[in-house]
Formats: sequence, structure tokens, C-alpha cells
Amino acid sequence: DSGVTQTPKHLITATGQRVTLRCSPRSGDLSVYWYQQSLDQGLQFLIQYYNGEERAKGNILERFSAQQFPDLHSELNLSSLELGDSALYFCASSVEGGPSYNEQFFGPGTRLTVL
Amino acid sequence: GENVEQHPSTLSVQEGDSAVIKCTYSDSASNYFPWYKQELGKGPQLIIDIRSNVGEKKDQRIAVTLNKTAKHFSLHITETQPEDSAVYFCAAGGSNYQLIWGAGTKLIIKP
Repeated sequence: DSGVTQTPKHLITATGQRVTLRCSPRSGDLSVYWYQQSLDQGLQFLIQYYNGEERAKGNILERFSAQQFPDLHSELNLSSLELGDSALYFCASSVEGGPSYNEQFFGPGTRLTVL
Repeated sequence: GENVEQHPSTLSVQEGDSAVIKCTYSDSASNYFPWYKQELGKGPQLIIDIRSNVGEKKDQRIAVTLNKTAKHFSLHITETQPEDSAVYFCAAGGSNYQLIWGAGTKLIIKP
């Protein structure tokens, strides 16, 4: 158990809908990262937050947005869902998020299925 | 843009043999190189990392080597065991707060 929690574990929805994925980082971690992993694909970095502020942006679609709240939990919002958005979404956390780099601890993921 | 190439995409080795996975990065400013292992149904987990002031690092059966001149680094697993079967990801971190990830290698340990 990494200490990172993600809810829900599974999510099934229809095209055009909007969903929210939630992540609670490990106690004491200030950085949260979001990744997308499609079937048999690698990890696609989406976005990073550090202590409530956006720190780095990857290949995140305009239909997707995220935020980190004062209690450090984070939410990833996916809207106007398409079939191709079906994937595993991972959240990870680390103590810091700067250039010195620290280990990222991954949650168990949320499996999103868009029908 | 920056990228990390990882080879092979699939590696099948006999139990007890060694496995080597290689990654090449493009950003010469990269200074942090972690390796993550993802078991089926789980999130990735860090197994070893190396920073640019070190050429090699070992942890029991796992070792990572770094060649900054050639901009490549490798993961070596010796005496492979069934529990080593997983997907392995390399990554490279530069000065922009972002890890650039390789595409992953599926390691299969044959009994």
C-alpha cells in the first residue's frame, strides 16, 4: 500500500458525459501528479500540482482539468468524454516536486470506461 | 521535444538468467533517472534510481548504469525470478520539474 488513495476504483459512463476522479496523497506529500495509461500503453503524464499550484503540464487535453485543494487532495475532471478516453488514470504523490526529484508513490488507479 | 526511448518493448528470459533493459534520453540537462516496476493491476513502484553524479548503483539483484556521454542508462536484473515478471518503465528528469517516461518493457520470466 503506497498510502495514496484514489476514488472511485471503477467508473463506467457514456460519451459526452463529465466525471471527476479524486486523489488523496500520502500524508506530508505536497506534490500530486496525474497520469493516463491506455490499454498496453505507457504512462502519459497529464499534470502536476505542488502545494495547490500547477507546477508542470504534460499532454493534457483541453477537455481535462485538475486542481489541488488546500487539504492537498486533488481532483481530475474529464468532460465531453470520448471512447478514446477509456483508460487507467493514476495519481501519484511526492514530498516535493522540484528539480531535485523525489520518489513518486502511485495510487491503485481509477479505471474509466466510456461506452 | 524531449523524449526517452526504451528497448525492448518485450523481453522474455529464462528464470535464473539476466535481463537488461535500455533507455536513451534526448535532454542533456537530465540529471535524475528512476526505474519503476508495474505489476499487473497495480500502480508503478520505484525500484531503483540514479543521479547524474553516479555511474552505477546496485541494490541486491538490481543495478542501473548511466552513461551521460552517450545519454543512455540501463537496468540490469540478475538471477531473475518469477516475481520479476512485470512492466518496467524508465524515466529521465531534467530541470523543468517533469519526468519524461519511456514506453515500458514487458518482462516475462519463463519457468
